Amino acid sequence: KQEVTQIPAALSVPEGENLVLNCSFTDSAIYNLQWFRQDPGKGLTSLLLIQSSQREQTSGRLNASLDKSSGRSTLYIAASQPGDSATYLCAVFTNAGGTSYGKLTFGQGTILTVHP
Amino acid sequence: DGGITQSPKYLFRKEGQNVTLSCEQNLNHDAMYWYRQDPGQGLRLIYYSQIVNDFQKGDIAEGYSVSREKKESFPLTVTSAQKNPTAFYLCASSDRTGYGYTFGSGTRLTVV
Repeated sequence: KQEVTQIPAALSVPEGENLVLNCSFTDSAIYNLQWFRQDPGKGLTSLLLIQSSQREQTSGRLNASLDKSSGRSTLYIAASQPGDSATYLCAVFTNAGGTSYGKLTFGQGTILTVHP
Repeated sequence: DGGITQSPKYLFRKEGQNVTLSCEQNLNHDAMYWYRQDPGQGLRLIYYSQIVNDFQKGDIAEGYSVSREKKESFPLTVTSAQKNPTAFYLCASSDRTGYGYTFGSGTRLTVV
């Protein structure tokens, strides 16, 4: 059974810092890995998707890397801002029984607070 | 605009009642999913459907039921057999490869 773990569970940093969120997964047979953002009481917003054949993806101040063989991914946020405060969730998409369909398994998330 | 609509936003259920949560998407996605989120925890998969008239149990399906009669709709019924239904419920959809994963804004269910 796929298990996803995120470290740290919570992180508080001053504005302007660069920071790294970590994600690990137990089964390397993944189709892709995704990072999401969740604001309190809201749904999830997709940030980055890395296909299993890729090593990293970038979007603005966000950069996500994937090391499939070691079962690890990192989300790097450059020059953090108070508006980045949210919960960040890592999820891996696993195929179901040899088909291209599958499902996401989520980590418990990292609660990020960026203070002015 | 394409997206996923969940309703209602807040729902209150009495002990012993069944309630149905609505989820509609206009993204032409094949796959749809229901997740449950408890405070301070990640998302746990309840049910998912890859095509119309087909669905599979997720990790915590007991006490829940679903149907997929139309591509656009994937309603979730929380039955009286679910012993601890108070939670935040999220519906999502994607294409068959997991690309374009899109979430609704959620339904918060409270047992009174």
